[in-house]
Amino acid sequence: DAKTTQPNSMESNEEEPVHLPCNHSTISGTDYIHWYRQLPSQGPEYVIHGLTSNVNNRMASLAIAEDRKSSTLILHRATLRDAAVYYCILRDVGGTSYGKLTFGQGTILTVHP
Amino acid sequence: GAVVSQHPSRVICKSGTSVKIECRSLDFQATTMFWYRQFPKQSLMLMATSNEGSKATYEQGVEKDKFLINHASLTLSTLTVTSAHPEDSSFYICSASKRLVETYEQYFGPGTRLTVT
Repeated sequence: DAKTTQPNSMESNEEEPVHLPCNHSTISGTDYIHWYRQLPSQGPEYVIHGLTSNVNNRMASLAIAEDRKSSTLILHRATLRDAAVYYCILRDVGGTSYGKLTFGQGTILTVHP
Repeated sequence: GAVVSQHPSRVICKSGTSVKIECRSLDFQATTMFWYRQFPKQSLMLMATSNEGSKATYEQGVEKDKFLINHASLTLSTLTVTSAHPEDSSFYICSASKRLVETYEQYFGPGTRLTVT
């Protein structure tokens, strides 16, 4: 499985934008870039995903480098409820993997009031 | 839409007993369901992939005879931890995908906290 590299932790202040980076230099052509987040003692929550183009939804934006070897999750205005572990995952939809997700250690985001 | 539930949310059992955890997709049909395990301060580890009507595919190192997975319908998958021991104490999380091979996201359940005494 292609792997991702994320900073262990990041901090932000409330109401400020947050840019969470992810490196995936060994990404393949069939890998989609997915972001999930997990609050303490809860299951992960889908945030956003993309393939080549930048993506926006109500939760966040995903900026994908032109060579696809890195991406950035952007939270436009962080709130205290955004404090969570953020996982950047490459999802292989090819072959017989059935789109399984391999979680790395993720980035612990702390939001200060 | 796309809600996944798990039952129970917490369970305490004695060593040597078996425990069954249910995972249900409430408002969609899940062709594929996944089971994860998460130890404290660690990331999620995929245990197995389950497709409706067929045998589960287990990840390397996961004992299929200890962690029995049944995916009998498009809305229900169960994980049975047989002869549980204290080292099986963990947070078990299931997820479901709407389609077999798609870019659609996985929808996760809230997790089940298993404590084996």
